[in-house]
Formats: sequence, structure tokens, C-alpha cells
Amino acid sequence: AQSVTQLDSQVPVFEEAPVELRCNYSSSVSVYLFWYVQYPNQGLQLLLKYLSGSTLVKGINGFEAEFNKSQTSFHLRKPSVHISDTAEYFCAVSEVIQGAQKLVFGQGTRLTINP
Amino acid sequence: DTAVSQTPKYLVTQMGNDKSIKCEQNLGHDTMYWYKQDSKKFLKIMFSYNNKELIINETVPNRFSPKSPDKAHLNLHINSLELGDSAVYFCASSQGVGPRNEQYFGPGTRLTVT
Repeated sequence: AQSVTQLDSQVPVFEEAPVELRCNYSSSVSVYLFWYVQYPNQGLQLLLKYLSGSTLVKGINGFEAEFNKSQTSFHLRKPSVHISDTAEYFCAVSEVIQGAQKLVFGQGTRLTINP
Repeated sequence: DTAVSQTPKYLVTQMGNDKSIKCEQNLGHDTMYWYKQDSKKFLKIMFSYNNKELIINETVPNRFSPKSPDKAHLNLHINSLELGDSAVYFCASSQGVGPRNEQYFGPGTRLTVT
């Protein structure tokens, strides 16, 4: 079974500063990776996904992530954050179990933006 | 229009009671899921249904019984509630069962067992 590790449980950042949220996955032949965001008291929303092709993936709200196979990483970045980016961020790997998709999530990283 | 909706949003009940959470999606998807998010925000899949058939059951106690009356609905019934069942439960849906699919999540139901 695959696994995901998010290396930081909390990341405080000042507004307009850059941010990187780290994610490492267990190695596999085929890797499908997702970043989801959870705003306070809401469900999860897809930020971006890596399925194949270009290792730099662009998502919504100015976020991007880079797939690095040799380091088994899929770090999320944003060059300049806003107060509205305050949320919990989840990295997930997708695998097929019993003929069905299963998302395996990391522990989450709480991003707090300070003014 | 809400894509994936859940009712109720909050549920407070006592140990030993039986409760249900309802989920509906209007995306035309054929696959639906239940996830449990614990107090540390850790998310784990509980069940997956495709075309009303159970395909994933992640060793969840049999006090939890999902039911899918049609492809647009997946309900979760919980018998004999325990303190450890307190969590946020998310419903999700996707089109198909392949690993590349995006899953769309509902707003969650916060269950508190006292």
C-alpha cells in the first residue's frame, strides 16, 4: 500500500511571502498525486493533480507543484500568499484497490497567513 | 447548485444511539465514497460504491452500514454509537473508479457522541 508524508504539520507565513508545503510519497511504478485544500468548516477542494507528463503542475489560486520522481516528492508552492490562503492542505496519492480508486492522504499541513 | 451535499451538517447524540447521515450528488457520477476525518484532521476512506455496489470496505466496524439507493445517493447508518465515532464524515463522488479521477467532496457532517 502506498503512503504519503507531509513533513510539516503547521506552516506560518507572512502575507505576500512565498510558501512551500512539502509532501513525500512511497515509491510506486505509477504515481498519481493530488493536492486538496480544506478551508475552515468546509469540504475538500482540488488544487491540482499530477497524472503524467510535465513535472510542473499549475493549479487554482496561483498554486503549483513539482513532481520529483528521484526524490519521491510533490511539493506545493505559491510565490505570494494571501490571507485567504489560510487553510489545511492535504497531499494524496491515488491507487487502485479491489478495482476501485483509493485516495491515501497525508496528515495535512495547516497554513496560517499572518498580516 | 451544491455538487455534493450532506445532511445534517452537525449531529450531536449520546452513546448507544443509532444515527444516519445522508449524501447526494448532482454531478452524474457513478462512484461515491465515505471518509472519516478524526480530531487530528487525518482523513481515511471508509467505503466506496460504484453503481450502487460496495467495492471498498476499509475494515470498518459492522456498526457502520452504508446504503446506496441509487447512483446519486449514498447514506451512512451508524448503530450503537461510541465515543470514538466522534469525527467529521465526508461524502465524495467521482466519475469512474480509475486512479486518475478527481473526487468531489461534500461539506462534511460533524458527529459528536457524548
